[in-house]
Amino acid sequence: QKEVEQNSGPLSVPEGAIASLNCTYSDRGSQSFFWYRQYSGKSPELIMSIYSNGDKEDGRFTAQLNKASQYVSLLIRDSQPSDSATYLCAVISRDSSYKLIFGSGTRLLVRP
Amino acid sequence: DTAVSQTPKYLVTQMGNDKSIKCEQNLGHDTMYWYKQDSKKFLKIMFSYNNKELIINETVPNRFSPKSPDKAHLNLHINSLELGDSAVYFCASSQERLAYEQYFGPGTRLTVT
Repeated sequence: QKEVEQNSGPLSVPEGAIASLNCTYSDRGSQSFFWYRQYSGKSPELIMSIYSNGDKEDGRFTAQLNKASQYVSLLIRDSQPSDSATYLCAVISRDSSYKLIFGSGTRLLVRP
Repeated sequence: DTAVSQTPKYLVTQMGNDKSIKCEQNLGHDTMYWYKQDSKKFLKIMFSYNNKELIINETVPNRFSPKSPDKAHLNLHINSLELGDSAVYFCASSQERLAYEQYFGPGTRLTVT
């Protein structure tokens, strides 16, 4: 079982819709969770971090964490074509010696 | 001002050659990292230095050797390059040792022919 799993996509949504990106992780001791956005040919850019159960909102982005279900998600409201990118979920856990472990990413396409 | 910079951006070389990639950060961070992103876009940590001390050394061929002359610089030297080394190599930094938020450089696309 992979440590951090994401659906590779592509996830296609129309402009203005809510995009929902999901991530599951295997280590129950995981402590910190991150979403990075990566445009094609560019470097990963940190967009959200979440450390406790519940929701965390930042502008059009909301990160949701459910440690009991080992599940973290990213909601993008009012999706724009400029949101089209690959979204990488990353987790830090004791099992990984506190290294940042990435999922393989979900490609999001926002249709104009 | 670029926070984390890498040189070169592109590197095309032949099998068997030795090459280096350089990284510099001006964020005042204590910890720096090297990651490899393969053709399937999977991003995996290779090394990490904290204040010039090696703290993460993943299972990578010993042809890869990191060096940190000071906490603002982290270089990656690769000996005897192989086709499978072709990938994008990213440098990253974080404020503290194993701190949570890491910031990435622009990447170096290495192509071995």
